[in-house]
Amino acid sequence: DQQVKQNSPSLSVQEGRISILNCDYTNSMFDYFLWYKKYPAEGPTFLISISSIKDKNEDGRFTVFLNKSAKHLSLHIVPSQPGDSAVYFCAATRLNYDMRFGAGTRLTVKP
Amino acid sequence: DTAVSQTPKYLVTQMGNDKSIKCEQNLGHDTMYWYKQDSKKFLKIMFSYNNKELIINETVPNRFSPKSPDKAHLNLHINSLELGDSAVYFCASSRAGTGTHEQFFGPGTRLTVL
Repeated sequence: DQQVKQNSPSLSVQEGRISILNCDYTNSMFDYFLWYKKYPAEGPTFLISISSIKDKNEDGRFTVFLNKSAKHLSLHIVPSQPGDSAVYFCAATRLNYDMRFGAGTRLTVKP
Repeated sequence: DTAVSQTPKYLVTQMGNDKSIKCEQNLGHDTMYWYKQDSKKFLKIMFSYNNKELIINETVPNRFSPKSPDKAHLNLHINSLELGDSAVYFCASSRAGTGTHEQFFGPGTRLTVL
């Protein structure tokens, strides 16, 4: 029962360009959405989040957009840097105790 | 100082054995979690502990049992290990009432069952 889906297993972009990572969810009860970044042999680290009552949240080069009617969110990274190369996980939570993760998208930023 | 630490980082063992993975957080958080990342890279929640009480127990075999001696520790005990238990196990913690709902993850423990 995958309630959070990331349909693109990988994405490759050129340094300086925009990276757009997508995520879909099925459970309308989720009240918070998060993006995590993961390097090999490390645990996921928090990147940015958005409440279900908002449609956009921005933090430096990272912006998350939420479209509740479509049950879709996306992470925009502008400009992309080689150090952004990692696996990005979309996550959704309800009541802050039950967090569901997508399968991840491997982003490669080429110099 | 490591915020969330796990030991061991690697664990190789035979089928049928009993093993434990330890987790400690020094962030003063009140909720701790165990996740399993399987071969398909899905991160799935196994357990969640808040103030020493189990909040979530997903459809996890009862061979897995979380033990929380105090708020800073949540250990994972696994009995009668099976080949399918091979995975990376992540511990995480969080504090209720934070604006971001962020969870802090440990570095993971790679369990290999032979």
